[in-house]
Amino acid sequence: GAVVSQHPSWVICKSGTSVKIECRSLDFQATTMFWYRQFPKQSLMLMATSNEGSKATYEQGVEKDKFLINHASLTLSTLTVTSAHPEDSSFYICSARVGGYSYEQYFGPGTRLTVT
Amino acid sequence: AQSVTQLDSHVSVSEGTPVLLRCNYSSSYSPSLFWYVQHPNKGLQLLLKYTSAATLVKGINGFEAEFKKSETSFHLTKPSAHMSDAAEYFCVVSPPNTGNQFYFGTGTSLTVIP
Repeated sequence: GAVVSQHPSWVICKSGTSVKIECRSLDFQATTMFWYRQFPKQSLMLMATSNEGSKATYEQGVEKDKFLINHASLTLSTLTVTSAHPEDSSFYICSARVGGYSYEQYFGPGTRLTVT
Repeated sequence: AQSVTQLDSHVSVSEGTPVLLRCNYSSSYSPSLFWYVQHPNKGLQLLLKYTSAATLVKGINGFEAEFKKSETSFHLTKPSAHMSDAAEYFCVVSPPNTGNQFYFGTGTSLTVIP
């Protein structure tokens, strides 16, 4: 149980275009989902926290107009990288939390974005 | 403020010998602490977690960690390394009253020598 999927697992896009990444909780309802960014050989950096039905909360330094997050249902959150540039190339990982007293986050396998 | 420090960016051990991955945390209040493992091109997998219950926590694959409040440490150990343990390990702190935000350490790359 507690499986989180991401789609696509790998995407290449041209500079200036937008790309959408989906994060789904497959067998549970996620009240909260998180989006992280991981650079090669580095740790995960929290980008934003999203709660179903409300606006995402972005970490300091993350451009909310560039990284659009939508959490429209209890099983789906999307991250859209708008007007992508090569510096946006990275590994994007989502996680989901069940809610209540559960502290645990369940992580997706990640999406590798390459902007050319 | 909260933070987590993984003292070694890289650890190398021989197969069959003990593993020690060090983690120190800083938190204003008693946090929840986790260890995650990331194999190449795979998602993060939870090894174990501490959430204010027993200070010695046993996880999967023979790993365990001990919460030491006086030393603000949560080191990960395993008595005998296996080749399949080679991976990246992350120590994570989640302070209370932060909406379950996770703060990741910089990671420790474990190499197991046959």
